[in-house]
Amino acid sequence: DAGITQSPRYKITETGRQVTLMCHQTWSHSYMFWYRQDLGHGLRLIYYSAAADITDKGEVPDGYVVSRSKTENFPLTLESATRSQTSVYFCASTGGSNQPQHFGDGTRLSIL
Amino acid sequence: GENVEQHPSTLSVQEGDSAVIKCTYSDSASNYFPWYKQELGKGPQLIIDIRSNVGEKKDQRIAVTLNKTAKHFSLHITETQPEDSAVYFCAALVPGTASKLTFGTGTRLQVTL
Repeated sequence: DAGITQSPRYKITETGRQVTLMCHQTWSHSYMFWYRQDLGHGLRLIYYSAAADITDKGEVPDGYVVSRSKTENFPLTLESATRSQTSVYFCASTGGSNQPQHFGDGTRLSIL
Repeated sequence: GENVEQHPSTLSVQEGDSAVIKCTYSDSASNYFPWYKQELGKGPQLIIDIRSNVGEKKDQRIAVTLNKTAKHFSLHITETQPEDSAVYFCAALVPGTASKLTFGTGTRLQVTL
């Protein structure tokens, strides 16, 4: 089925570990986004990508790394996880200008 | 950059009543305003959106109004039902970008029987 999928849905890890969250979309959308959702802050943009091999920082990029070697995939890596990165992470995609973003169901990440 | 404020943060209404959620944005050049509904354990889902060339848009029990002069837009839900209970987010397109959105902080709507 077409759509946007995130994996894993839940992840528990320890501080200092590297963890990668995966995002895959089947619409061939040009734009992809990573958000984190925390109580009282709504959705905050971490990184986004306008096309394969084109990425840019959002509002809260520190501690995160992204890559986009293929249009359909947009992985997010926490190189050395910290407790402050405990959050729910959402990936989204859109076809372009003034088009709605479509969200995955999120990854709940806990860092102990 | 664009800033979006959303009120109220929580809203409780009785089934059958109307609910209104309001958002203001800071950059008058914004021209696209989507609304999302997020149910527990799910990602946000688009429910309605409006572009700056119209003042109102309706889809069954849901409507959005836009006042460009005042830089605010509102979501109206009529004849609320228990399944309308969720968190609602407004957003505005960041001017000068093709697709970046700035989100409000969300409104938790509870529809009571």
